[in-house]
Amino acid sequence: IAGITQAPTSQILAAGRRMTLRCTQDMRHNAMYWYRQDLGLGLRLIHYSNTAGTTGKGEVPDGYSVSRANTDDFPLTLASAVPSQTSVYFCASSENSGAGDTQYFGPGTRLTVL
Amino acid sequence: GESVGLHLPTLSVQEGDNSIINCAYSNSASDYFIWYKQESGKGPQFIIDIRSNMDKRQGQRVTVLLNKTVKHLSLQIAATQPGDSAVYFCADPSGGSYIPTFGRGTSLIVHP
Repeated sequence: IAGITQAPTSQILAAGRRMTLRCTQDMRHNAMYWYRQDLGLGLRLIHYSNTAGTTGKGEVPDGYSVSRANTDDFPLTLASAVPSQTSVYFCASSENSGAGDTQYFGPGTRLTVL
Repeated sequence: GESVGLHLPTLSVQEGDNSIINCAYSNSASDYFIWYKQESGKGPQFIIDIRSNMDKRQGQRVTVLLNKTVKHLSLQIAATQPGDSAVYFCADPSGGSYIPTFGRGTSLIVHP
């Protein structure tokens, strides 16, 4: 069982380019999340999905979009990357989105926008 | 919005000592807290959680204390080992969505 996988591991991207970060989980979890982690700011929620077919905005959603076509996949898209989106991106999942549901995190994608 | 903060950005301890990492929260309605450990180059990993109807919860070498009066919780690590070196986050699922809000993190450095 792989848990949560993310791809790519790292990426250098020119500003203005479109980029999709991939996230796949094999635990059949209903809820999935995308966070960005910046030095000194901790983890900030970008978007989330409580179940396949639904998504919601987190704390810092601007410039990002997500889709949840099925249970396993939760891609994050940057339509037109900007340098301020340079960060480490973590995908996470939990069985459900209620209290007591532990989040499991992927290994992260390090993105640099030049 | 609600905030979850950590008092110290870095904590250095000697191997074998006990470590205490503190966290303050501002949402008095918060009823569930989680501690995560993040090793270098990896994603956060669940350590232990506590509900507001408890003051203390113990795991293997870790104890979390919750003081609802002053809205403060702490993570205690007994006999700290080099493998405990990591960034520790407290997270507060609040606002009804139960999606955790993370503090900035405390970096624990264990010296052999």
